[in-house]
Formats: sequence, structure tokens, C-alpha cells
Amino acid sequence: EIVLTQSPGTLSLSPGERATLSCRASQSVRSSYLAWYQQKPGQAPRLLIYGASSRATGIPDRFSGSGSGTDFTLTISRLEPEDFAVYHCQQYGTSPVTFGQGTRLEIK
Amino acid sequence: QVQLQESGPGLVKPSETLSLTCTVSGGFIDSYYWSWIRQPPGKGLEWIGYIYYSGNTNYNPSLGSRVTISVDTSKKHFSLRLTSVTAADTAVYYCARDCGTSCPLGMDVWGQGTTVTVSS
Repeated sequence: EIVLTQSPGTLSLSPGERATLSCRASQSVRSSYLAWYQQKPGQAPRLLIYGASSRATGIPDRFSGSGSGTDFTLTISRLEPEDFAVYHCQQYGTSPVTFGQGTRLEIK
Repeated sequence: QVQLQESGPGLVKPSETLSLTCTVSGGFIDSYYWSWIRQPPGKGLEWIGYIYYSGNTNYNPSLGSRVTISVDTSKKHFSLRLTSVTAADTAVYYCARDCGTSCPLGMDVWGQGTTVTVSS
């Protein structure tokens, strides 16, 4: 199976700053079928980015995804207070579908 | 818009069978894949498997033969059965609308999740 490694494990930033989250795959992700999800405490994950770089419906344009092959990045251009959460990457191009271990984005 | 709601027992005894149902409202069950995902306390997400509305399934090999996912299109729900549970199966279980492994859209609708504890 494809193992996804997210870094850093925890990212401490202030509102207004730029956040860069990384997701590295153990082998190439087919067709860039890589998604990013945001999860707040006690809530289900919410789809942010699919196909590595396409924003899901209703997602603000401060969220952007990039990358291909084995290296992917989620960038939040200017952090809003509601953006502090856990972020998961997921590959769904090869079965079994796998998720990274998550990056916690916390307020500095 | 489409909403998903998980239901089922919150407590299951070791060695018994976990059974959950996900009801689809506000949209069609046809033409989509439907996934189950779980999250043990304080840990990451694990994909359990999915079912296409026609009944085709794909499971995570890590769960072996313990898992079965079924669908009832007339009732607009799909179900998860996990046999021979242990404490390691304690988790929040989510259902989600999926697109399969040949479609770029990801899991775009999720249920709120239901907590299942395995304990005697």
C-alpha cells in the first residue's frame, strides 16, 4: 500500500501568516488523486482539495494545493482563526485508499 | 444538499459483530461509491472499504475477511458489518460519499460520525 507521511507533525503559526503543509508518498500517486481534508475537534473531516490542486465547493481561495508524483503541498496563504485544525492528506488512486497521519495546525 | 447519518450500537462486546448503517438523504444513492472510514481515539483516519450503488465492493486488506459492506438502494442506505471485534476496533466510524479510485473528486460528503466502543 502507499504510505503517506505528513510533515511537520505540528505547525505553530499566528493568524495572518502563511502555512505550508507537506505530504510525501512512498510511491507515485496515480493521476494525482491526492486530497486534503480539514478536521476540527469533534467534527468529521471536510474535503478541501481534490486531484492535488482543485478546490472543493465552497472552499476559500486562500487554500491551495500543488504537487505531483510523490510530493504534495497544501498552502494556506493567510491564516484565519477558523483555519487552526488538523489536516489530513489522502491518496485514492491506488487501492487501498490511504491517509497520512495528519498535521496539527495550532495558534502560536 | 446530500446528508449522511450513521446509526448503530455504541457498545459492542469483544468477539461479537459491529453493525452500522448510513442513511442518505437529500440526494441520490445511485451513481456513487459509498465509503466507511474509521478513526481510533487520538489517531489518524483508516479507510475500511467502499461499495458502488450496484453492489460492487472494495475492502482494505488490513481488515481481512472480517468486513462486509452492503447497500439497499430502495431504502437509500448502506451498511457495515465487522466481525470478531477487539478493543483495537474502538473508533469513531464515518460514512462518506466517494468517487472510487478512477475519479478525481475524493470524499466530498461525510456523516457526523458515530463512536463505537468494544468492551465487555
